[in-house]
Amino acid sequence: RKEVEQDPGPFNVPEGATVAFNCTYSNSASQSFFWYRQDCRKEPKLLMSVYSSGNEDGRFTAQLNRASQYISLLIRDSKLSDSATYLCVGDNQGGKLIFGQGTELSVKP
Amino acid sequence: EPEVTQTPSHQVTQMGQEVILRCVPISNHLYFYWYRQILGQKVEFLVSFYNNEISEKSEIFDDQFSVERPDGSNFTLKIRSTKLEDSAMYFCASSESPWTSGGANEQFFGPGTRLTVL
Repeated sequence: RKEVEQDPGPFNVPEGATVAFNCTYSNSASQSFFWYRQDCRKEPKLLMSVYSSGNEDGRFTAQLNRASQYISLLIRDSKLSDSATYLCVGDNQGGKLIFGQGTELSVKP
Repeated sequence: EPEVTQTPSHQVTQMGQEVILRCVPISNHLYFYWYRQILGQKVEFLVSFYNNEISEKSEIFDDQFSVERPDGSNFTLKIRSTKLEDSAMYFCASSESPWTSGGANEQFFGPGTRLTVL
């Protein structure tokens, strides 16, 4: 089983839609989790950290379920500028980030 | 806003040649990392570096690879004898800390160096 696994997509949604991404991780992967965003041929940028209690940042909500080894990202009222690849990432607590394959999102007018 | 910088943005080299990729981490950061991303694939960890020593390295980081912090600002990745399969985007990153502590472990990535081995 891959350490961090994501549905690669692409997800094609209209502006204003709500879209959800899921990610699963293996036991050995990580203690901390993040969602990063990567635009085409650019560097990954941190979108938000993920906590078991769930956390929200504007239109973005992230959730971690340790029992199911499952991480989610919800984007509400999607904008054209949300089009990117969303990377589910684990951290082994020593600084090594473990990336998923990424889920591609395309928001259309 | 402080940022990680990398040079060159694109490096083309012949197979078997040595390349050095350069990075300037954020100035108050103490932990440095190299990752690579082969076109169409996921970002992969190569190595982490702290206090002038390698903290952790992946299986990819074999004897052909080395890292150095030659002065107070630069952090370099050297590939001694490049192979075709080394062609990838190489990202440098830095953080205040590797430990989760109020976001101090957030890794900031540079824009990358695209390495093409012919």
